[in-house]
This record gives sequence, C-alpha cells and structure tokens, in this order.
Amino acid sequence: EAGVAQSPRYKIIEKRQSVAFWCNPISGHATLYWYQQILGQGPKLLIQFQNNGVVDDSQLPKDRFSAERLKGVDSTLKIQPAKLEDSAVYLCASSLGMGTDTQYFGPGTRLTVL
Amino acid sequence: KQEVTQIPAALSVPEGENLVLNCSFTDSAIYNLQWFRQDPGKGLTSLLLIQSSQREQTSGRLNASLDKSSGRSTLYIAASQPGDSATYLCAVDEMGGGKLIFGQGTELSVKP
Repeated sequence: EAGVAQSPRYKIIEKRQSVAFWCNPISGHATLYWYQQILGQGPKLLIQFQNNGVVDDSQLPKDRFSAERLKGVDSTLKIQPAKLEDSAVYLCASSLGMGTDTQYFGPGTRLTVL
Repeated sequence: KQEVTQIPAALSVPEGENLVLNCSFTDSAIYNLQWFRQDPGKGLTSLLLIQSSQREQTSGRLNASLDKSSGRSTLYIAASQPGDSATYLCAVDEMGGGKLIFGQGTELSVKP
C-alpha cells in the first residue's frame, strides 16, 4: 500500500513570496490533515478535511494561508505572502475516517523563509 | 485550553536499558491519547493508542499507560535498542474527531 505522498520535500523562499505544497493521501482515505511543525515543537493542526469539506480550520492563519481539497482526494496548502515565522515542516496526514482511525503521515515539506 | 507537555526534552541511555517517557496534559477530559515515533526527515508513525476508558496498551516491547485523573501517560520501552533512537511524541484527542494536540516530544538516543 502506497503511503502519503508530499511534494516538494524542501523549499526555500524569500519573505513575502508565495509557496504551495501538495499532498496525495492514501487511496480511499476520506480524512486529510495538514500540520505545521516548527523546529523543537510538536505538530500543530492547521486544517482538517472530510472528503472535500473543511471539518476544522480554527488554527489556520486565514489572512495568509489557504488550503483546498478538490474532488476529495489531493490537497494543496498555500502561503501568500510568507513570513519568517512560517519556516517549519508542513506535514500531511490521512485517515480512513475520523475519530480513532489511525493517521498516516507523509514525510513532510521543509520550508525555509529567508 | 489543553496543553500537552513532555519531559525530558532529550534522553540518552545505553543499549539494553528499560526506560520511561513521560507525557502530561492539563485537561483530563480527553477521548484518547496516542504515542508516535518520528525519525529524522520522516513523518510520524503511530505506536499505540489508548482510549479514555483504558488504562494501558501494549505492543511488543512498548507499553503505554494512561491515568486520566492525574493527566499523565507514560511510554515504557523494554530492553532498548539503537534502532529505538528517534523522537517520541504523545498527542491527545479531546473530542474524538481526529484533531490531535501534540506535546513537544522527547528525543531518545540509545547508545550501542
């Protein structure tokens, strides 16, 4: 079974530029999560999708971050414009359903904002 | 607001030692608690999930316990091996909807 795929693996941008990350969840998984992990901290949930609907985006900085999950499969997370404090690893995870279903994580995208 | 804390931030032990990692949370009204492992440059791997009604879960050399009333969980690793070296994170789910609140992790190094 293929795991969660993310691209790119690494990205370096200047502040005020825009950037986009892509996630392909495990086939058949209805729930998709985007987490932000700052160095030395645990991951923080940014947004949770159930199929193509948003379940929770309470911690997403909506003035600069946006995410979509068209057709309930792949998802894209965008930052525009980026700030220095956005430097982090962005992790995508998927699960079959919600609740106690195991979340499977991708390898992450490491973003550096200069 | 729920806060999850893991102490220590880093731990180094010789191979073969039994060890305990600690996790504490401020609000005891949780749905479940999970322990994850994170290897450098990789995503997280779920190790054990304890429902709020359970006291412990075991998988191989790993045993996780949960004491909701005191807001504590421990991960016990028996007979540690160099391959156990990684960062271990605990996370709580308050509502059962999959929204996880993570601790900052304990970086474990097992020396041969």
